Amino acid sequence: QKEVEQDPGPLSVPEGAIVSLNCTYSNSAFQYFMWYRQYSRKGPELLMYTYSSGNKEDGRFTAQVDKSSKYISLFIRDSQPSDSATYLCAMSPSGSARQLTFGSGTQLTVLP
Amino acid sequence: DAGVIQSPRHEVTEMGQEVTLRCKPISGHDYLFWYRQTMMRGLELLIYFNNNVPIDDSGMPEDRFSAKMPNASFSTLKIQPSEPRDSAVYFCASTVRPGGRNYGYTFGSGTRLTVV
Repeated sequence: QKEVEQDPGPLSVPEGAIVSLNCTYSNSAFQYFMWYRQYSRKGPELLMYTYSSGNKEDGRFTAQVDKSSKYISLFIRDSQPSDSATYLCAMSPSGSARQLTFGSGTQLTVLP
Repeated sequence: DAGVIQSPRHEVTEMGQEVTLRCKPISGHDYLFWYRQTMMRGLELLIYFNNNVPIDDSGMPEDRFSAKMPNASFSTLKIQPSEPRDSAVYFCASTVRPGGRNYGYTFGSGTRLTVV
């Protein structure tokens, strides 16, 4: 079993829809949770960053962390065609020098 | 800030040839990571450096792979000899961790390697 599981999709939604992307994990030591967005033929770029449990909102994006369930989510409101990309979750133990553990990514297409 | 700079963007080489990928991290970042991305395996960490010192190279697939960081502004990943199964996109990423907190990585645009 992988440490981080992510539904690979692909996920296709109409413009304006609310998108929910999710990851589950098994390592209870994870404290830092991130979402990266990767456009085709580009490197991943950091989209959202959350420490420990709770919600964080940034414009149309909301990241949620539920440590009791070992489950994290990224919500995209009023989705736009420019949101079409692969979204990767990533996480890391607290204060650790270890590398991030990435999910496999979910490919999202927002249809105009 | 120009971000993490990788070169070349694309590399096509014949099996058995030596390949060298290059990376310039963001100035002031003291961690540098090399990742490989394929459709089958996703992002795989190959090796990472802290203050130019290799910390964990357990992800390096074989002795054919080697990485160096001679100074804070330059790193190389070398494959010798290259094989078709090495075909992938190779990413370099860098970060800084003030107070030990993890603020995520900044990735370069990657090098798309094709070994024929």
